[in-house]
Amino acid sequence: RKEVEQDPGPFNVPEGATVAFNCTYSNSASQSFFWYRQDCRKEPKLLMSVYSSGNEDGRFTAQLNRASQYISLLIRDSKLSDSATYLCVVMAGYNKLIFGAGTRLAVHP
Amino acid sequence: DTEVTQTPKHLVMGMTNKKSLKCEQHMGHRAMYWYKQKAKKPPELMFVYSYEKLSINESVPSRFSPECPNSSLLNLHLHALQPEDSALYLCASSQGSGGENIQYFGAGTRLSVL
Repeated sequence: RKEVEQDPGPFNVPEGATVAFNCTYSNSASQSFFWYRQDCRKEPKLLMSVYSSGNEDGRFTAQLNRASQYISLLIRDSKLSDSATYLCVVMAGYNKLIFGAGTRLAVHP
Repeated sequence: DTEVTQTPKHLVMGMTNKKSLKCEQHMGHRAMYWYKQKAKKPPELMFVYSYEKLSINESVPSRFSPECPNSSLLNLHLHALQPEDSALYLCASSQGSGGENIQYFGAGTRLSVL
């Protein structure tokens, strides 16, 4: 079983749509969780950290369910510029990030 | 824009060459990382330096040799690479202590081994 699992997509959605990505992780001792965004041929960039209480940043909402070892990302009112690969990332040990395979999002006009 | 700077952006080398990748950050971070990313795959951790000491080596072949001359610089020395080592090599840095220890990535060096 992979340490971090994501649906690879692609998710093809029209502008203005709401889209949700899910991710599961296997190590129950994991402490920190993140969503990174990676554009084609670019480096990963932090989108947001994920907390049990849930957190929101504009159109983006992230949620963590420790009991189910499940992480989600909700994007509302999708923009063309949201097209990218979204990486679910779990910290295993203080300095070690484990990346999911990524979920590809394509937003079309 | 990223505050982690990697050079060169692109590198083509033969299997007998020796080359080095460089990474620099001026955020005062005390942890630095090397990742390898193949096309359509997520980044895979290679090495972690914490307070200028190698703390994690993910069983990387010895043809990759990391070096951390000081807290701002990280090098990756390459020697006798194979064509399958062609990939995007990403450097990252983080605070190294306390908080979430968020990692920030450089733009990467795209390496082709012929």
